[in-house]
Parts: sequence; structure tokens; C-alpha cells
Amino acid sequence: GNSVTQMEGPVTLSEEAFLTINCTYTATGYPSLFWYVQYPGEGLQLLLKATKADDKGSNKGFEATYRKETTSFHLEKGSVQVSDSAVYFCALPTGGGNKLTFGTGTQLKVEL
Amino acid sequence: SAVISQKPSRDICQRGTSLTIQCQVDSQVTMMFWYRQQPGQSLTLIATANQGSEATYESGFVIDKFPISRPNLTFSTLTVSNMSPEDSSIYLCSVGLAGNYEQYFGPGTRLTVT
Repeated sequence: GNSVTQMEGPVTLSEEAFLTINCTYTATGYPSLFWYVQYPGEGLQLLLKATKADDKGSNKGFEATYRKETTSFHLEKGSVQVSDSAVYFCALPTGGGNKLTFGTGTQLKVEL
Repeated sequence: SAVISQKPSRDICQRGTSLTIQCQVDSQVTMMFWYRQQPGQSLTLIATANQGSEATYESGFVIDKFPISRPNLTFSTLTVSNMSPEDSSIYLCSVGLAGNYEQYFGPGTRLTVT
């Protein structure tokens, strides 16, 4: 079935630093790809998505481009803030029935 | 999108007891899912809650341990039965909207079993 591999954390950055969290996928065809974010003590929120190859999803200053050549969907942000401290999950559909499979999650900590 | 609430938000339970978690959505949805997130881990799908029929469980999860109800299109419950400390986790409800694969999550129920 479809799967995702995410870079391990934790990632610790200073405020205003550039962020990249790597995500690569294995899939049949070209499924939609997602990034979810989980702030401390909360459930997951959909951060951004891309539904086809070469699409770029963006939200709250975060971006990710669906690259079929490298089967990647890396999450980037040009200047992180302390409020971006959270766990980030890459996800894609698997197994039918609208089910998603999630990566292992990458914890981001942004310090002043 | 959809707004999802869960009750309770957290609980501490004795081993051998059961806890029922409620999930309420502000609109009718076809698909509802229950996940477990063990401390510091990713999400594992427990089951898909089907309205009007038995839930569909993922490998490793059984109805006797995690009975699920789905009486209508806005509500579902998950029961964690005969709990042990290994059941200490965050339990998350999510909903899927027809036409895409997006899922929207509740805030989670943080369960500690002593």
C-alpha cells in the first residue's frame, strides 16, 4: 500500500530561520498529498495539500510542492516563529474508503 | 470543513474498567474515523465508524476491545474496554468529507490508565 517517510526530529531552530521538513512517498499513481500540524495538547489540523503533480500547496507561510520525479512533498517555511512549534505530519490516502496513512511526525521547536 | 468536539478531553482510569469517548460533528458527514496516538508516536487508525452498520476495524484492533457506535451522521462513540496501562494514549476522532481525502480532527481524548 501507499506509505510516507518523514525526516526524524526533533528539529530545533532559531526564530526567523528557514525550515525544511522532508517527506517522501511510495504510491500507486499520483494521490493527493497532505501536511497536518499538531500544536501541543491539540488534535491535528490540515495545514496544506496538493492534489496533483507539480501542484504547490501553501498556507500560513508554509509551502510544499508535489514532485513526482523525486516522489517528494517537502514542507518549507522561509522564516519560522515561536508559534510554529508543533509536530508536523505528512500524509496520503491509502487502502480506499478515504483512509489516510500518516508519517511518523516531525517535532519542530522554535526558540527566540 | 467541519467542527468536531470530543468528550471527555482527558481521563484517568483504573485498569480493568471501560471508558466511552464521544465524538460530535457540527454537520452530517459520511465518514468518521477513530485513531490512537501513543505518546510521542504517529497516528494509528483503529476503525472506520459506519452509520447503520458495524464498524470496519484495522488489523490488530477488535470489536470486543474497541466497540464503536454510529447511531447517526453527526455522532459516534468509541469504548476502550477492560483497560490496561498499555491503552494509555490519545484517542482522536476525525471526519472525512465526500469528494476528497481531507480529514478534520477533534481535539482528542487523553487517557491514562493506572
